[in-house]
Amino acid sequence: DIQLTQSPSFLSASVGDRVTITCRASQGISSYLAWYQQKPGKAPKLLIYAASTLQSGVPSRFSGSGSGTEFTLTISSLQPEDFATYYCQQVDSYPITFGQGTRLEIK
Amino acid sequence: EVQLVESGGGLIQPGGSLRLSCVASGFIVSSNYMSWVRQAPGKRPEWVSVINIDYSTYYADSVKGRFTISRDNFENTLYLQMNSLRVEDTAVYYCARGRRGEGSYLWGQGTLVTVSS
Repeated sequence: DIQLTQSPSFLSASVGDRVTITCRASQGISSYLAWYQQKPGKAPKLLIYAASTLQSGVPSRFSGSGSGTEFTLTISSLQPEDFATYYCQQVDSYPITFGQGTRLEIK
Repeated sequence: EVQLVESGGGLIQPGGSLRLSCVASGFIVSSNYMSWVRQAPGKRPEWVSVINIDYSTYYADSVKGRFTISRDNFENTLYLQMNSLRVEDTAVYYCARGRRGEGSYLWGQGTLVTVSS
């Protein structure tokens, strides 16, 4: 199985900050990586697919990059509604797997 | 409105069975890549199973041989038959619509399955 490791696991930041979350895969997955945002009691929401393609309706302050084994999610200017938990997911091969999550909290 | 609505969760004893349903509105289930994903309290999401347009199915090792994914094209509904349930199957179960190789962009609200004696 492909393991995904996110860093950091916890991030404290302020409104307006630029933040970056990293996801590393245990083997190459080309660009078959997605990023999700999840708020308490809600289903995950797809933000980015194919490593860098913004899902329709997602604000442009979210961006993704990377390929192979290292990927990043960047939020250019944090808004109050962005404080949530973020997960990466590899969709290269079965079983599909998720990273352990990055919890983003208000400083 | 395009949406997914799950049902069928509940409290069940270890070894028991449940069937989850996911009714789709606004799109055709059989023309889409449909998955089940579960999430135990405080844990990361865990992919469970997928059924593709060509009826091919895949399962997580943790549920293989116990869970079966299927769809009813007439009812436009996705199912997850869960047998031999274990305490560790306790989770919120989501159905999701996606694109092959691109993740899932439409999720239901989830249904809670609690396996406990």
